Amino acid sequence: DIQMTQSPASLSASLGETVTIECRASEDIYNGLAWYQQKPGKSPQLLIYNANSLHTGVPSRFSGSGSGTQYSLKINSLQSEDVASYFCQQYYDYPWTFGGGTKLELK
Amino acid sequence: QIQLVQSGPELKKPGESLKISCKASGYTFTDYAMQWVKQAPGKGLQYMGWINTQTGKPTYADDFKERFVFSLETSASTAYLQINNLKNEDTATYFCARGRVLIDYWGQGVMVTVSS
Repeated sequence: DIQMTQSPASLSASLGETVTIECRASEDIYNGLAWYQQKPGKSPQLLIYNANSLHTGVPSRFSGSGSGTQYSLKINSLQSEDVASYFCQQYYDYPWTFGGGTKLELK
Repeated sequence: QIQLVQSGPELKKPGESLKISCKASGYTFTDYAMQWVKQAPGKGLQYMGWINTQTGKPTYADDFKERFVFSLETSASTAYLQINNLKNEDTATYFCARGRVLIDYWGQGVMVTVSS
């Protein structure tokens, strides 16, 4: 199975700041990567697919990049509604696997 | 709009069974596979597997090949997850999620508590 290592596990940032979350795959996943946002008590919501494509309705302050085994999610100009946990997921190969998650809080 | 509406919370004893439902609307049910994901309390997401909504064939991730059964009622656009011989470690929220190449929409989740 492909292992997804996500960092950091938690992150504290101020409003308006830019934050970056990293995800490393144990092998090349050829951009088969999605990022999800999960707010407390809610189901995950798709933000980014194919490593860098923005899902419908997602604010443009979210962006994804990377290739091979290294990927990142960037949030520009952090808003209060961005407080959530974020997960990466590879769908290049079965079984699909998730990163451990990053909990983003306001400083 | 696309919706996946799951059944309500469950409280069960070890050794019992349960069946969770996931009713889809807003799209053609058989155009997308149904995925299942587990989230233990305070933990991350664990992929359980998927069911082909055209053929009914399930595929299970290694940790879910015993005691877990995916099924369909296609006429009702509904997918089911059955868990047999429940164990304490099955305590979690279970999500159904629409996905062909990737997961794009999720159900609201069903919280399952297993306790004697």
